[in-house]
Amino acid sequence: GNSVTQMEGPVTLSEEAFLTINCTYTATGYPSLFWYVQYPGEGLQLLLKATKADDKGSNKGFEATYRKETTSFHLEKGSVQVSDSAVYFCALSQGAGGTSYGKLTFGQGTILTVHP
Amino acid sequence: GAGVSQSPSNKVTEKGKDVELRCDPISGHTALYWYRQSLGQGLEFLIYFQGNSAPDKSGLPSDRFSAERTGGSVSTLTIQRTQQEDSAVYLCASSLARTGPEQYFGPGTRLTVT
Repeated sequence: GNSVTQMEGPVTLSEEAFLTINCTYTATGYPSLFWYVQYPGEGLQLLLKATKADDKGSNKGFEATYRKETTSFHLEKGSVQVSDSAVYFCALSQGAGGTSYGKLTFGQGTILTVHP
Repeated sequence: GAGVSQSPSNKVTEKGKDVELRCDPISGHTALYWYRQSLGQGLEFLIYFQGNSAPDKSGLPSDRFSAERTGGSVSTLTIQRTQQEDSAVYLCASSLARTGPEQYFGPGTRLTVT
């Protein structure tokens, strides 16, 4: 079955530091890949996505590249801010067709804390 | 426009009671998903609706769990004879499936079984 593995947290950084959160996946075919973020006390929000190999998703200074050869979708940001403190989830979904279209399989989440 | 809404936001119930959780998806979204978020299990898929049909119920943990969707819109997740291990945040998401796989999540219902 499908699975997503994220680097274990928590991750603690100082403001303006470089961020990488690793994510690798196991899936058949060509899944779509996502990063979702959950800010304290809020619901899950889509941060970025990529739907085919070599696509780069980007949003709010975050980016991730769909690497089929390494089955990875690592999240990066060049300079984090205190407001980026949240839980980050990597996820995948299978493509159109079949009975499970769009069903998301999530990684375990990575807690990020950014200090001033 | 309005996002996905869920009610109640919090529910405390006694073990053995039945509960109903409601989800109002984004208007026009044909696909609807239920997930559960708990400390021990992370985020787990429960059930997927396309219109009023549920092609994938594979994530429902037991026959105490059921869900329905009416009018291609509102969905209700029912848990019968609740157990303490049912305590979790239940999340609903909807998607305009034909334009892409991204899902939009509601704020969740926090269920506590005492």
